[in-house]
Amino acid sequence: DAGVIQSPRHEVTEMGQEVTLRCKPISGHDYLFWYRQTMMRGLELLIYFNNNVPIDDSGMPEDRFSAKMPNASFSTLKIQPSEPRDSAVYFCASSFMGTGSYEQYFGPGTRLTVT
Amino acid sequence: GNSVTQMEGPVTLSEEAFLTINCTYTATGYPSLFWYVQYPGEGLQLLLKATKADDKGSNKGFEATYRKETTSFHLEKGSVQVSDSAVYFCALRLQTGANNLFFGTGTRLTVIP
Repeated sequence: DAGVIQSPRHEVTEMGQEVTLRCKPISGHDYLFWYRQTMMRGLELLIYFNNNVPIDDSGMPEDRFSAKMPNASFSTLKIQPSEPRDSAVYFCASSFMGTGSYEQYFGPGTRLTVT
Repeated sequence: GNSVTQMEGPVTLSEEAFLTINCTYTATGYPSLFWYVQYPGEGLQLLLKATKADDKGSNKGFEATYRKETTSFHLEKGSVQVSDSAVYFCALRLQTGANNLFFGTGTRLTVIP
């Protein structure tokens, strides 16, 4: 299996621009998670989906952030408009609850820099 | 609330030294406990886990024992290698069916030759 795939790996954009991060979970997994990692705040859960339905979005910082999962093999995290404080590494992870292991498999991350 | 507290880093050790990274948790019921590792430039990956009290998780020479009485899950390794340099995260999953994990802040380990 290719693992969790994220794109782009690096994104540099100017303040005010729209940013879209993409994630392809492992085939067959029924949970998908979006995390943000910064030096100041560590690893934060932003939102997670179960069977393409958002379950908990309480970690989404504000209305500028939105996430969708139109099907089982694709999810996006959008920031509009972007701000310098959004600079971070964004991780997508997926898991399959059916095995009972609850292990989350992480993608390599997208490093976002907003100037 | 539910939370994980990890030993503050960074930690620097010489090769072959003994490693302990402390982790304590606060949670209702009987959570599952995990250690994840993040190597430079990569995402997190599961290192080991324990799902009930007194279970010992082990992998790649690392061990951690689920101690309900002290609400702890300390990570240990008897002899670290340079390749163990990474950031280590302790995490818990509640017993109650939600599949999200609560992560600690991470501890950076650097092993020098």
